[in-house]
Amino acid sequence: SQKIEQNSEALNIQEGKTATLTCNYTNYSPAYLQWYRQDPGRGPVFLLLIRENEKEKRKERLKVTFDTTLKQSLFHITASQPADSATYLCASSGGRRALTFGSGTRLQVQP
Amino acid sequence: NAGVTQTPKFQVLKTGQSMTLQCAQDMNHEYMSWYRQDPGMGLRLIHYSVGAGITDQGEVPNGYNVSRSTTEDFPLRLLSAAPSQTSVYFCASSPTGQGYEQYFGPGTRLTVT
Repeated sequence: SQKIEQNSEALNIQEGKTATLTCNYTNYSPAYLQWYRQDPGRGPVFLLLIRENEKEKRKERLKVTFDTTLKQSLFHITASQPADSATYLCASSGGRRALTFGSGTRLQVQP
Repeated sequence: NAGVTQTPKFQVLKTGQSMTLQCAQDMNHEYMSWYRQDPGMGLRLIHYSVGAGITDQGEVPNGYNVSRSTTEDFPLRLLSAAPSQTSVYFCASSPTGQGYEQYFGPGTRLTVT
């Protein structure tokens, strides 16, 4: 069955560094991947979408890549700030005309 | 625009009770969906709707019912609550479906004792 996986271990980095989060998928080829941010006690908030024919997408300090050979998407936050601390969710097109979500990676940016 | 709203924010039920989680959106989105989020498991799709009068099952539909009589509202009914349904429930909407960003509500935290 199709699976989308994110590193369940929290990522701790220093302020100002680049955070890189990984999303891997298996047993299918999604037409696109989406990234969301979720703060404690709140619903996810959409950040970026990248389609299979796009290698890279940027939005301000955010960058997403999509490697269909490695079956992987990388999500980068440059010049990270403590306010970037949150859980980041990867989601892809899946069956049943709905998104399939990964379990998320918690990012902690230390001042 | 209020976006996607959910009520209640918190709810405690006893096993066997029924209740309805409310979801409404004011963005005229055709697509609406319900997810549950459990620790370490990510968001799992319960039911979704591609328009008024059209609903379909997601990954974990058992124990839940939905209906979509209007574009704005998409209530989720728990027929006979079980402890396994303790979770945080999120409603989401989007203009046309999975190819576009999903707008999520603030969630309902449900505890079944």
